[in-house]
Amino acid sequence: AQSVTQPDIHITVSEGASLELRCNYSYGATPYLFWYVQSPGQGLQLLLKYFSGDTLVQGIKGFEAEFKRSQSSFNLRKPSVHWSDAAEYFCAVGGYSGGYNKLIFGAGTRLAVHP
Amino acid sequence: DARVTQTPRHKVTEMGQEVTMRCQPILGHNTVFWYRQTMMQGLELLAYFRNRAPLDDSGMPKDRFSAEMPDATLATLKIQPSEPRDSAVYFCASGLAQNTGELFFGEGSRLTVL
Repeated sequence: AQSVTQPDIHITVSEGASLELRCNYSYGATPYLFWYVQSPGQGLQLLLKYFSGDTLVQGIKGFEAEFKRSQSSFNLRKPSVHWSDAAEYFCAVGGYSGGYNKLIFGAGTRLAVHP
Repeated sequence: DARVTQTPRHKVTEMGQEVTMRCQPILGHNTVFWYRQTMMQGLELLAYFRNRAPLDDSGMPKDRFSAEMPDATLATLKIQPSEPRDSAVYFCASGLAQNTGELFFGEGSRLTVL
């Protein structure tokens, strides 16, 4: 069965520091992988996605993620965090299951940014 | 700027009352998903529609929840009767069936059942 694990529930970083949010997935075939961000009181916004090809994908707001098949991981990174990056981040795996393309979300990682 | 629109944004009601949440998917999208978000359970998939047909509602409590798409521009999620444990944020998302699962989310309907 498909599943997504985000090991870190909360992460706090200082503004300007680098960031890495971890995501591990379980899926029987080549997965489609996504990172979404949710600001307080808002819906989820797509940061980036991986379908195939180059395993390092660039997204909006300066984020990138690297797909590592051997580790079943799709970690999100940003070299220098801004205070406006404080939000909740969700990793998701998509694939054909039960007759349709379905997204399964991780539990999320809440990011706090210290000035 | 195309977006998924949900109403109401906030709803406070008393236990036993009927609640209806509405969603306008992005024009041209042929899939609609309803998710429920709580602190304890995270994002749970409640229902899925493709071309207005309900294909999966296995995540939805059948005795009190119902989801419909009367037309391509409107999806509804109804709870009758509502219970305090239904308090959550309900998200609607739309997409294209051929697009490998990428979804566009509305801003959610925050429901509080007293």
